[in-house]
Amino acid sequence: DAGVTQSPTHLIKTRGQQVTLRCSPKSGHDTVSWYQQALGQGPQFIFQYYEEEERQRGNFPDRFSGHQFPNYSSELNVNALLLGDSALYLCASSLVGETRADTQYFGPGTRLTVL
Amino acid sequence: DAKTTQPPSMDCAEGRAANLPCNHSTISGNEYVYWYRQIHSQGPQYIIHGLKNNETNEMASLIITEDRKSSTLILPHATLRDTAVYYCIVRVVDGGATNKLIFGTGTLLAVQP
Repeated sequence: DAGVTQSPTHLIKTRGQQVTLRCSPKSGHDTVSWYQQALGQGPQFIFQYYEEEERQRGNFPDRFSGHQFPNYSSELNVNALLLGDSALYLCASSLVGETRADTQYFGPGTRLTVL
Repeated sequence: DAKTTQPPSMDCAEGRAANLPCNHSTISGNEYVYWYRQIHSQGPQYIIHGLKNNETNEMASLIITEDRKSSTLILPHATLRDTAVYYCIVRVVDGGATNKLIFGTGTLLAVQP
């Protein structure tokens, strides 16, 4: 059973550039959530995608955007990168259902460094 | 803001039980208690969750007090590989509409040889 996968593993960008991170959910899951984890802090919720639409959003600027594809995979895009965007970006997948506790399972993350 | 309070760090001897406490005094009746752990620079790993009954799986046991205001995660025989930050999270489970996870700072468990 394939778990959550993310690519790339590491990425180095310069200020002002744009970046795209990718996530493939766990087999059978239909919902993808993205989190940002700065060094020494707990993960912070960015947004969640379900049925190819953004369903929830955390306190992040519009520079952060996403997309979900028909196969449930997802992308996170960040425009106009700032030094403060340097972090571990985590993807979590879950299965939404009326009676199922939709536990989120995390991928290994993408380490983004902005210089 | 996170709805839970955890000690910042704990030590445990290898082979002994590790008991990690969590306070969630404002928990609502429809909120579950979830535990995740994060080994350095890896993605958080789901451990266990519960509503009001004690739960056990292959990784750990979760003991929730009768008033549900606190809980304890028990790792029965800690190993060096259990050294990680452990997060206690409360959240509503309602089919997904409000299922974002709000992480606090967690407890750094250091298992000593």
